[in-house]
Amino acid sequence: AQSVTQLGSHVSVSEGALVLLRCNYSSSVPPYLFWYVQYPNQGLQLLLKYTTGATLVKGINGFEAEFKKSETSFHLTKPSAHMSDAAEYFCAVSDWGKLIFGQGTELSVKP
Amino acid sequence: DADVTQTPRNRITKTGKRIMLECSQTKGHDRMYWYRQDPGLGLRLIYYSFDVKDINKGEISDGYSVSRQAQAKFSLSLESAIPNQTALYFCATAWTSGGGGTDTQYFGPGTRLTVL
Repeated sequence: AQSVTQLGSHVSVSEGALVLLRCNYSSSVPPYLFWYVQYPNQGLQLLLKYTTGATLVKGINGFEAEFKKSETSFHLTKPSAHMSDAAEYFCAVSDWGKLIFGQGTELSVKP
Repeated sequence: DADVTQTPRNRITKTGKRIMLECSQTKGHDRMYWYRQDPGLGLRLIYYSFDVKDINKGEISDGYSVSRQAQAKFSLSLESAIPNQTALYFCATAWTSGGGGTDTQYFGPGTRLTVL
């Protein structure tokens, strides 16, 4: 069965610093992986997804993630954090059209 | 003009009451989902429907039921609400493109349910 683990329930960075949110997955088949963002009092919005092909995936708002099969990882990065990036981020793996989510990581950005 | 709407947005109810949460979409998607979000647990799947005549249980369906009234409408019911059903509930939709699970799910704004 597929599963996702996000390392760190809360990450705090300074504005302008690198953002790194960690996600490891377990899957018995080639995985389809997603990152979603949830801003306060809103639903989830897709940041990016990996299906096949290029392992470095670029998303919205300057985020990107790299699929590393050998490490079973799909970490999310952004070179320079902005105050508007403060939100909760969810990694997910697809299970035949259903999404299995990680526990979420809350990102705080300090001025 | 949101594509996926949920009503109500907030609801406070008492133990034992029957509650219905409604989801409507204008995206023309065939698949619809209900999730609940609890702090520290992420989102967990309650029920999902791949078309109007297809209803499937998710990871945590006990205590819940659903109805797919039309392609655009998917309702979640709590027959007899209990306090541990206090959570944030999300509806999501997707279009089956034949990608075998690659399709993006689009989420509604959520319903915050409190059971006293």
